Amino acid sequence: AQTVTQSQPEMSVQEAETVTLSCTYDTSESDYYLFWYKQPPSRQMILVIRQEAYKQQNATENRFSVNFQKAAKSFSLKISDSQLGDAAMYFCAYRSFVSGNTPLVFGKGTRLSVIA
Amino acid sequence: DAMVIQNPRYQVTQFGKPVTLSCSQTLNHNVMYWYQQKSSQAPKLLFHYYDKDFNNEADTPDNFQSRRPNTSFCFLDIRSPGLGDAAMYLCATSSDRVRQYFGPGTRLTVT
Repeated sequence: AQTVTQSQPEMSVQEAETVTLSCTYDTSESDYYLFWYKQPPSRQMILVIRQEAYKQQNATENRFSVNFQKAAKSFSLKISDSQLGDAAMYFCAYRSFVSGNTPLVFGKGTRLSVIA
Repeated sequence: DAMVIQNPRYQVTQFGKPVTLSCSQTLNHNVMYWYQQKSSQAPKLLFHYYDKDFNNEADTPDNFQSRRPNTSFCFLDIRSPGLGDAAMYLCATSSDRVRQYFGPGTRLTVT
């Protein structure tokens, strides 16, 4: 079974600075998806960024980028120019590439605080 | 322009008293999921519907049931809530079973 590990329960960053959230995963599969989801306090979880394992290029969405190291099974999220609205719980998640009833496997989350 | 709507946002029920949580969507997605999320933990998948096909996770207690009368609506029924069922319940939808769109959640308190 696949597992996702987020080793940083809490992180903090100064406004306008850069922060990197860590995620490692364990799988025997070669094709899969990786995601970072953001869950702000009392608000819904939204997808921040997505990476397909077969793509070598790291995904980027505006201020959010990932460092995907397939051999090391590492998938870190970098947030540049941090804003107060970035404060949230961040979940790393894995999904098998296999079609059908394959669930998302979540890590335990990292709580990010942004200091003004 | 809410896409995944959950009602109510906060629900209080008594120990053992059945409760129903509601989820609706305007995305016309064919897959709907229910997750349980306890404080400071990752969401845990309870079950999901692919169209009308119900898929239960192996470790979901029998106390939890679900109904999907049509594409837009899905309900979570907890037949006899225990104190351990107090949690945030998240509904999510998907059209491709890859990207999921989450609702804001219903926080359930059991007294």
